[in-house]
Amino acid sequence: AQSVSQHNHHVILSEAASLELGCNYSYGGTVNLFWYVQYPGQHLQLLLKYFSGDPLVKGIKGFEAEFIKSKFSFNLRKPSVQWSDTAEYFCAVTPSINDYKLSFGAGTTVTVRA
Amino acid sequence: NAGVTQTPKFRILKIGQSMTLQCTQDMNHNYMYWYRQDPGMGLKLIYYSVGAGITDKGEVPNGYNVSRSTTEDFPLRLELAAPSQTSVYFCASSYSTGTSGHEQFFGPGTRLTVL
Repeated sequence: AQSVSQHNHHVILSEAASLELGCNYSYGGTVNLFWYVQYPGQHLQLLLKYFSGDPLVKGIKGFEAEFIKSKFSFNLRKPSVQWSDTAEYFCAVTPSINDYKLSFGAGTTVTVRA
Repeated sequence: NAGVTQTPKFRILKIGQSMTLQCTQDMNHNYMYWYRQDPGMGLKLIYYSVGAGITDKGEVPNGYNVSRSTTEDFPLRLELAAPSQTSVYFCASSYSTGTSGHEQFFGPGTRLTVL
């Protein structure tokens, strides 16, 4: 079974600062990778996903993530955060075969101060 | 198109009571899932279904049961509620586009407290 590690439990930033959230997974085969966001009081929404092709993936709201296969990583980035980016962020992984069973990381709470 | 809907939004149960969490999707997705979310633990898969009449256990199935009699509905049953089942429960659904894999769509969640 695969596991997913998110390095930061809680990140506090000021507006306009850059954000990078780490995500590593342990699985030897081909994977599909996701970042989900959960705004306060809301359900999970997909930020971006990687299935194949260009390892630099662009998502909604100015987020991007880079898949580095050799490092088993899929880090999320945003050059300049806004107060509205305050949320919890989850990395999730599924093997490309039987690719419907997601494994989630523990999540990173991001607080952006105005 | 409502997506994935869940009822109730909140519920308080006493130890030993039973209840059913409802989940419905109107996107004609074959795959449906139940997760629980606990602080600092991410989401854990309880049960999933790959189509009507087919269900299987996830990572943390103990204390729960599911059924899938239709494509749209995937209720989660707690028979004897325990304090350890205090959590936020999310239902999700997905479809496979073949080459593009699965993308899961989540409901708004049910916050359950067992006292």
